[in-house]
Amino acid sequence: DIVVTQSPDSLAVSLGERATISCKSSQNLLYSSNNKNYLGWYQQKPGQPPKLLIYWASTRHSGVPDRFSGSGSGTDFTLTISSLQAEDVAVYYCHQYYDNPSTFGQGTKLEIK
Amino acid sequence: QLQLQESGPGLVRPSETLSLTCSVSGDSISRSSFYWGWIRQSPGKGLEWIASIFYSGSTFYNPSLKSRVTISVDTSKNQFSLQLNSVTAADTAVYYCARDILVSGYLVAGYWGQGIVVTVSS
Repeated sequence: DIVVTQSPDSLAVSLGERATISCKSSQNLLYSSNNKNYLGWYQQKPGQPPKLLIYWASTRHSGVPDRFSGSGSGTDFTLTISSLQAEDVAVYYCHQYYDNPSTFGQGTKLEIK
Repeated sequence: QLQLQESGPGLVRPSETLSLTCSVSGDSISRSSFYWGWIRQSPGKGLEWIASIFYSGSTFYNPSLKSRVTISVDTSKNQFSLQLNSVTAADTAVYYCARDILVSGYLVAGYWGQGIVVTVSS
């Protein structure tokens, strides 16, 4: 199985500051035939299902604020929140869908400093 | 507006079969170009993709669960279902049904149900 590992496990950032979460894959997630990285990001708030933020490593899902951005390629990826808002407090997960089984990172808990 | 709703028992005895149904409104499974599937979440294993199905019956299964899992679709009821056999305490989790957005059998889940808590206990 492809293992995706997030860092840090938890993060505290001041309101209005930048938050950055890393995701590293044990295998390459870039499919050469279409030049797409098979990596997504989800946000989960307490008592709610996860919400898709990003797919193809950098494409925002509909309705996702543009302060959320994804970057990276191959095995190293980053989710960035450019200016942290109070409603961004949540657990964030990366997800590889390159190979069977698709797998999720362990999660990064984001809090307000 | 697409909505998914899980239903089924909240308590299942060890060694028995867990059966869940996802009812879909706001989209037709039989006319959909996307996969539908199940993901579970437990404190011990985090988020785990279980299985996905296309309206035509094409399926993808997580190899670690494949021997115990069946996913099926009932287009007449606009529902799809999950059966997990021979459950143990390790199958205790919140089970979510979801719809893919990329025609990916591995379920890039853009739409989710609220989840149903399933506990395996005698």
